[in-house]
Amino acid sequence: GAVVSQHPSWVICKSGTSVKIECRSLDFQATTMFWYRQFPKQSLMLMATSNEGSKATYEQGVEKDKFLINHASLTLSTLTVTSAHPEDSSFYICSARIEANYGYTFGSGTRLTVV
Amino acid sequence: KQEVTQIPAALSVPEGENLVLNCSFTDSAIYNLQWFRQDPGKGLTSLLLIQSSQREQTSGRLNASLDKSSGRSTLYIAASQPGDSATYLCAVKSGGGADGLTFGKGTHLIIQP
Repeated sequence: GAVVSQHPSWVICKSGTSVKIECRSLDFQATTMFWYRQFPKQSLMLMATSNEGSKATYEQGVEKDKFLINHASLTLSTLTVTSAHPEDSSFYICSARIEANYGYTFGSGTRLTVV
Repeated sequence: KQEVTQIPAALSVPEGENLVLNCSFTDSAIYNLQWFRQDPGKGLTSLLLIQSSQREQTSGRLNASLDKSSGRSTLYIAASQPGDSATYLCAVKSGGGADGLTFGKGTHLIIQP
């Protein structure tokens, strides 16, 4: 149980274009989802907290206009990287909290390469 | 601000050895601590979750301990196998209403056949 599905697993896009990443909770409802970014050989860094039906909460230093988050339903959160640039190339991974024990389950991640 | 440190950064041992991975955190006011496994280019697989009121958790060959007051956790892997090769991440959920997890940089483990 408590599976999170993330798509796409990898994407290559041209500089200046936008990319949408989807994160779905398959067998449970997730009122809160989280988006992380991981650079090579670095730890995962929390970017934002996605709340169903309300605005996302962004961590310090994360541009909310660049990383648009939508959490319109209890099973789907999306992250859109707008006007992507090569420095946005990274591994993006979503997570949902398991309300029963306050553990977290993660998606399989998305490797974004901006050329 | 919570900081999580994992030692060692990398470890390579022969198959069959028992090993210990270390995790320390600066703010002891945590809600829980979770150990994950990450294979190259993949997402995270949860291994063990320890609530702040617990001292240890066990799953198969894995045992995780938590000493909240000293800000330390260890992950013990018994009878290591080549399939255990991966990066192991320690993450804490801080108390005080902060949400999301704070991660260490991980320990890159290689088990030699």
